Amino acid sequence: QKEVEQNSGPLSVPEGAIASLNCTYSDRGSQSFFWYRQYSGKSPELIMFIYSNGDKEDGRFTAQLNKASQYVSLLIRDSQPSDSATYLCAVNTPYDNAGNMLTFGGGTRLMVKP
Amino acid sequence: KAGVTQTPRYLIKTRGQQVTLSCSPISGHRSVSWYQQTPGQGLQFLFEYFSETQRNKGNFPGRFSGRQFSNSRSEMNVSTLELGDSALYLCASSPWTGPSYEQYFGPGTRLTVT
Repeated sequence: QKEVEQNSGPLSVPEGAIASLNCTYSDRGSQSFFWYRQYSGKSPELIMFIYSNGDKEDGRFTAQLNKASQYVSLLIRDSQPSDSATYLCAVNTPYDNAGNMLTFGGGTRLMVKP
Repeated sequence: KAGVTQTPRYLIKTRGQQVTLSCSPISGHRSVSWYQQTPGQGLQFLFEYFSETQRNKGNFPGRFSGRQFSNSRSEMNVSTLELGDSALYLCASSPWTGPSYEQYFGPGTRLTVT
């Protein structure tokens, strides 16, 4: 059974610091990796996706993927109190008829303190 | 572009009843996936519909079913409701089906079974 693991947190960082969120996955065939942000009482919002080994940057966010170690991370630079939310890692593993099925980790709760 | 819409936003039902939830994807998106989110189990894949066909189904009982219409709108149905079906039901749309396509979530339908 595919598993996606995240530290539940809370991860507390001061405003302006770098927040580092980590995710490991069990299926070596996993191909696509997504980070969603979910505010309390709201639905998940897609913030980053990565398919290839290495880093991908978008504004204050950087996703890092290491398929050999089965590890994907999200760095948030210059963290703001508005970044306080739960961050969900999701993985798609292609196999027959997999389509768009995502397997989610349990999420890491991030708290950015002013 | 308008986002994913879901109706109704909130529902209260009694055990044994059935319920139908509706999802309208982003314009032009052909794939609709459904997920269930609970505090205990997190986000779990229910099923995906693409071109009016169910692509894949998660590990849920047959009481959970769905369909997709020619305009890509989708409905999911839960029959013989149980207390454990209380959850946030999320619909996600994607331009196409496959591991390389991002999914965008709607606001969700909060179902409470009493």
